[in-house]
Amino acid sequence: DTEVTQTPKHLVMGMTNKKSLKCEQHMGHRAMYWYKQKAKKPPELMFVYSYEKLSINESVPSRFSPECPNSSLLNLHLHALQPEDSALYLCASSQKFGNQPQHFGDGTRLSIL
Amino acid sequence: GENVEQHPSTLSVQEGDSAVIKCTYSDSASNYFPWYKQELGKRPQLIIDIRSNVGEKKDQRIAVTLNKTAKHFSLHITETQPEDSAVYFCAASPSGGSYIPTFGRGTSLIVHP
Repeated sequence: DTEVTQTPKHLVMGMTNKKSLKCEQHMGHRAMYWYKQKAKKPPELMFVYSYEKLSINESVPSRFSPECPNSSLLNLHLHALQPEDSALYLCASSQKFGNQPQHFGDGTRLSIL
Repeated sequence: GENVEQHPSTLSVQEGDSAVIKCTYSDSASNYFPWYKQELGKRPQLIIDIRSNVGEKKDQRIAVTLNKTAKHFSLHITETQPEDSAVYFCAASPSGGSYIPTFGRGTSLIVHP
């Protein structure tokens, strides 16, 4: 069973659309992460939330906007994306922020037309 | 910042053989070293991790060794099976500051039946 659930699994959107990616975990983890992964590459960290507060923003363009409504949910709002933003977007969580094992979701495969 | 080198990029073995993947890191402050397995189209999954106060850790057919002096760590898989075929990523995380993990570029392991 996947302990971190991401929706939708696939998303195709135009460059002018606004959409959101959702992530949910019920393991009581207090740190949640967004990663971007291109084919045959390692995950690239985008954002980290610790105790629902944004702790790290890895210089991500403002067309990506994260939100953490509560300790179980993490959203990524998308607006005016570019074709190069097409990738697999992975959510992960860990017990706390720091050197802890991360549990990844299955990801959302995003295609920008 | 941290730099993690991973070798080889591709590793092809016969079923039953052993496989070894090596990583080196540059930041002596790194103290947490996880390994993730990512099967095609699936999420990264933690398979084993090691902290800097330990030199070796084993879990059934998988082992990780760490040489802090030389700043390298390795993944060892014995008695490989076709289901071990996947991309393996090593990572290194610093002991303080941002705790951001730096991933290696990945090793594609192919186990031939």
